[in-house]
Amino acid sequence: GAVVSQHPSWVICKSGTSVKIECRSLDFQATTMFWYRQFPKQSLMLMATSNEGSKATYEQGVEKDKFLINHASLTLSTLTVTSAHPEDSSFYICSASPDRNPGNTIYFGEGSWLTVV
Amino acid sequence: DAKTTQPTSMDCAEGRAANLPCNHSTISGNEYVYWYRQIHSQGPQYIIHGLKNNETNEMASLIITEDRKSSTLILPHATLRDTAVYYCIVSSLNTGKLIFGQGTTLQVKP
Repeated sequence: GAVVSQHPSWVICKSGTSVKIECRSLDFQATTMFWYRQFPKQSLMLMATSNEGSKATYEQGVEKDKFLINHASLTLSTLTVTSAHPEDSSFYICSASPDRNPGNTIYFGEGSWLTVV
Repeated sequence: DAKTTQPTSMDCAEGRAANLPCNHSTISGNEYVYWYRQIHSQGPQYIIHGLKNNETNEMASLIITEDRKSSTLILPHATLRDTAVYYCIVSSLNTGKLIFGQGTTLQVKP
């Protein structure tokens, strides 16, 4: 079964509104989680690193005020797309690892489809 | 992070072994090789990972060359459900951050 879960699986929102996507680690604590986005027929693009108890680290070119990340607990990170526009429509995916040892498995969520109309 | 190079696409007959190559010539000594696959409209699925020794699990085998500059993922008996995009990724030390390339689209044919 899934060890990293995302909610919602898909969401449709109106242009100009904000939408929140949750990422939960089900069987472990994760100090760090990662958010990706994927456009059709393209690879995953890392957006940001979510850090529990501190500010997220954003990749170059990703607007931090547009994509708000909150990592309030060791099992939950949220991504809020603010003032969404149709070009924000994408597949958003999170990942987490039980700890920061690179020898450990990194698990991905099922992904969340966002459609902005 | 070390970059990887994979063929864009490959075909494999159902029931035969699928051998997916990956080049990572700039890999550092403490970086692992991870393999994931993504079936359309789903999140990436973990397959296997390794440092320098060959690894095997219930899904696949990972063969890493002695110089660690390349690796091969082997699906021993491919099925139609193995049709997916396969990503070979080299990890940064202690970050959990995975940088995805374009991957290999594997098409398993009847």
